[in-house]
Amino acid sequence: GAVVSQHPSWVICKSGTSVKIECRSLDFQATTMFWYRQFPKQSLMLMATSNEGSKATYEQGVEKDKFLINHASLTLSTLTVTSAHPEDSSFYICSALGLASYNEQFFGPGTRLTVL
Amino acid sequence: GEDVEQSLFLSVREGDSSVINCTYTDSSSTYLYWYKQEPGAGLQLLTYIFSNMDMKQDQRLTVLLNKKDKHLSLRIADTQTGDSAIYFCAERDNFNKFYFGSGTKLNVKP
Repeated sequence: GAVVSQHPSWVICKSGTSVKIECRSLDFQATTMFWYRQFPKQSLMLMATSNEGSKATYEQGVEKDKFLINHASLTLSTLTVTSAHPEDSSFYICSALGLASYNEQFFGPGTRLTVL
Repeated sequence: GEDVEQSLFLSVREGDSSVINCTYTDSSSTYLYWYKQEPGAGLQLLTYIFSNMDMKQDQRLTVLLNKKDKHLSLRIADTQTGDSAIYFCAERDNFNKFYFGSGTKLNVKP
């Protein structure tokens, strides 16, 4: 089946630093990737939709200058949390829609970000 | 985003059937999905149903869709302790965005 990886799986950083999270589709090409944020015991909140070669579309209330998304190829999207603060600590999950399996959204395993 | 609602908890005994319910508001949903999330892990797709279908069965899983009432359910037959997890329903709109419910925590007692 289709596999989506995320790197790193967890990261701890100091307040004020920037953190980059990678999302890769390993065995398929993904025209669209999504970035979600999940707080403890809560649902996934869609942050942005990322299409290869174009600017990401952000959901209302999500700061585009704080959460920089780049989708440079059909297999890689990155999320950079800039000037991270403790309130940015969360579980970030990416997902990908494949060219072949358009009905399915494949999720990465998530990245746990802790900002001290 | 669209509203997708689920009950928060469900507890069943091993061997019984589990029914997890979900309601949504977007009448233009194209597909509806059920995902499973185990602690500390990402989401695993269980099954999905096209919005013009009313039922889909896949081994122990049965999905029922009442489009008129915007109600989706997931039935797990012969529930096992390994089925204990959080189950999310999600709807996909015409722009390929997915909106998730709050998740139902299923606890299976031996």
